[in-house]
Amino acid sequence: KAGVTQTPRYLIKTRGQQVTLSCSPISGHRSVSWYQQTPGQGLQFLFEYFSETQRNKGNFPGRFSGRQFSNSRSEMNVSTLELGDSALYLCASSLQGTSANEQFFGPGTRLTVL
Amino acid sequence: AQKITQTQPGMFVQEKEAVTLDCTYDTSDQSYGLFWYKQPSSGEMIFLIYQGSYDEQNATEGRYSLNFQKARKSANLVISASQLGDSAMYFCAMSVLYNFNKFYFGSGTKLNVKP
Repeated sequence: KAGVTQTPRYLIKTRGQQVTLSCSPISGHRSVSWYQQTPGQGLQFLFEYFSETQRNKGNFPGRFSGRQFSNSRSEMNVSTLELGDSALYLCASSLQGTSANEQFFGPGTRLTVL
Repeated sequence: AQKITQTQPGMFVQEKEAVTLDCTYDTSDQSYGLFWYKQPSSGEMIFLIYQGSYDEQNATEGRYSLNFQKARKSANLVISASQLGDSAMYFCAMSVLYNFNKFYFGSGTKLNVKP
């Protein structure tokens, strides 16, 4: 069974641009969560999607948005990029999200904002 | 609010020895789960072990065990017989009932295994 995949793996953008990151969950998984990892703030929860609906949201500005498609693939978008958005963005999938089983993480997308 | 604290930014251990990574947590929820993840330099988070708040026995997974002390709100990870491949960042995380896929992470511990 293939794991969680994220594309692209590396991305370089300039301030003010926007970016879209993609996450394909493990086959059959319906929940996708996104996290931002920075040296200063550590790992922070962005949002979770389940069956195409945002089910949970972290404390990030509206520039960060996401969506989930009917095949459970998810995208997150960051508009008007700032230098502080440089981070490793991790997505994780789980089967239902109704029990405390572990999430399976993807390899991450490393975003650099210049 | 939920909070995870890892007080050891970095640790060294000799190969083949055991090591304990500390984790304390704070939550007012009665039902929660505690997790440990390993993150190599490649960036991917690798699940190691899980402990539910109602589990009476400490979780074990191969060389990993979780020392769960509920009254002290601690969930320390014990790695037995350390290997060079264990060198990585280790994160303690927690999720609570009805928000199982919203993880709260600690700041991590960088473990270095010396040959």
